[in-house]
Amino acid sequence: GAGVSQSPRYKVAKRGQDVALRCDPISGHVSLFWYQQALGQGPEFLTYFQNEAQLDKSGLPSDRFFAERPEGSVSTLKIQRTQQEDSAVYLCASSLNRQSYEQYFGPGTRLTVT
Amino acid sequence: GQNIDQPTEMTATEGAIVQINCTYQTSGFNGLFWYQQHAGEAPTFLSYNVLDGLEEKGRFSSFLSRSKGYSYLLLKELQMKDSASYLCGTTGANNLFFGTGTRLTVIP
Repeated sequence: GAGVSQSPRYKVAKRGQDVALRCDPISGHVSLFWYQQALGQGPEFLTYFQNEAQLDKSGLPSDRFFAERPEGSVSTLKIQRTQQEDSAVYLCASSLNRQSYEQYFGPGTRLTVT
Repeated sequence: GQNIDQPTEMTATEGAIVQINCTYQTSGFNGLFWYQQHAGEAPTFLSYNVLDGLEEKGRFSSFLSRSKGYSYLLLKELQMKDSASYLCGTTGANNLFFGTGTRLTVIP
């Protein structure tokens, strides 16, 4: 079956622009996660959804970051007024249930802020 | 909080065995996982240990000692395609905490 997909795969934004990153999880997966991965680092947790409910947003670095999953499937991560330090790969992952340690990751969106 | 340490880089020879170590300190421990990530690609799940001991899965094995806060990933019969980053981490209430990863290079 189809895996997790993300779009766009690459995004270049000028500092101060808003961006929206999309994630299509595996169908039927209840849990959806967003991670940020800087070059040479491991993924860092941003936020977690169980169905449409955002249960944990403790990893969002600032109030410029906003995520939603209005119908419990597709999710969007929005970054307002992008800064250079936002440049990273943004990974989306989904899992069948909340306690699953086996998460299925998408290919990521590489964001470059110039 | 969470603190996870693993070597930054390792090199090993095709056909050999390599052991990648990971130490961790967590405020609450549920389990320890390993993921593989090829350059420019998504991480993929390898193993998950909750109890002490060795779990074998084909050419890959993972070991856990909860009392020592220590794990290792053992890769046997190395192949060139095993060149990748190996991410150790622990599970939190709602997410995975990843280490910085060990970049393994397999040479002929």
